[in-house]
Amino acid sequence: DQQVKQNSPSLSVQEGRISILNCDYTNSMFDYFLWYKKYPAEGPTFLISISSIKDKNEDGRFTVFLNKSAKHLSLHIVPSQPGDSAVYFCAASGDNTDKLIFGTGTRLQVFP
Amino acid sequence: DGGITQSPKYLFRKEGQNVTLSCEQNLNHDAMYWYRQDPGQGLRLIYYSQIVNDFQKGDIAEGYSVSREKKESFPLTVTSAQKNPTAFYLCATNWGSQPQHFGDGTRLSIL
Repeated sequence: DQQVKQNSPSLSVQEGRISILNCDYTNSMFDYFLWYKKYPAEGPTFLISISSIKDKNEDGRFTVFLNKSAKHLSLHIVPSQPGDSAVYFCAASGDNTDKLIFGTGTRLQVFP
Repeated sequence: DGGITQSPKYLFRKEGQNVTLSCEQNLNHDAMYWYRQDPGQGLRLIYYSQIVNDFQKGDIAEGYSVSREKKESFPLTVTSAQKNPTAFYLCATNWGSQPQHFGDGTRLSIL
């Protein structure tokens, strides 16, 4: 049973526009959520995180929104740049453990 | 230069052979993790260790073994019991409640 789901395997966005990546989770015990960015043949790089006590966290062009009632989070990238083209994974942890549960990833392509 | 070093970058295994993937870190992080990534799937946890000489099974530990004799090192052995070992293997570390940081991975293939 997939506890963290990214239902869109791919997303294509024009440069300068907003990219919105979505993630849903089923476990109500999750209390910490992260987004990672991954280029081919490299390890994931941490982007941004949010605790369940917040509903928004912003870092430069990246903003993560958390809707606990809907068990949904999203990553907004604005403005999108060609260098943002990568696979984005959301991950969650909770229940007093540091173990991360990852989604299946969304491949973002930003075109000129 | 602090970081996580995984070696080798590419590894080939013959049928029935055990192979060991190396993960070394100089970040002084207590916790270390091994994940496996298959095409179209997320990262799945194989084993993790929160302190030297202690480790726990993750979600897909069957066919794998680990050791944690030193804080800096957390090698992963893919045994012959792992029937589908072809994957991209990632090592991660963290300290306290900080986000996990990843190495650049080892791609394992079967000859």
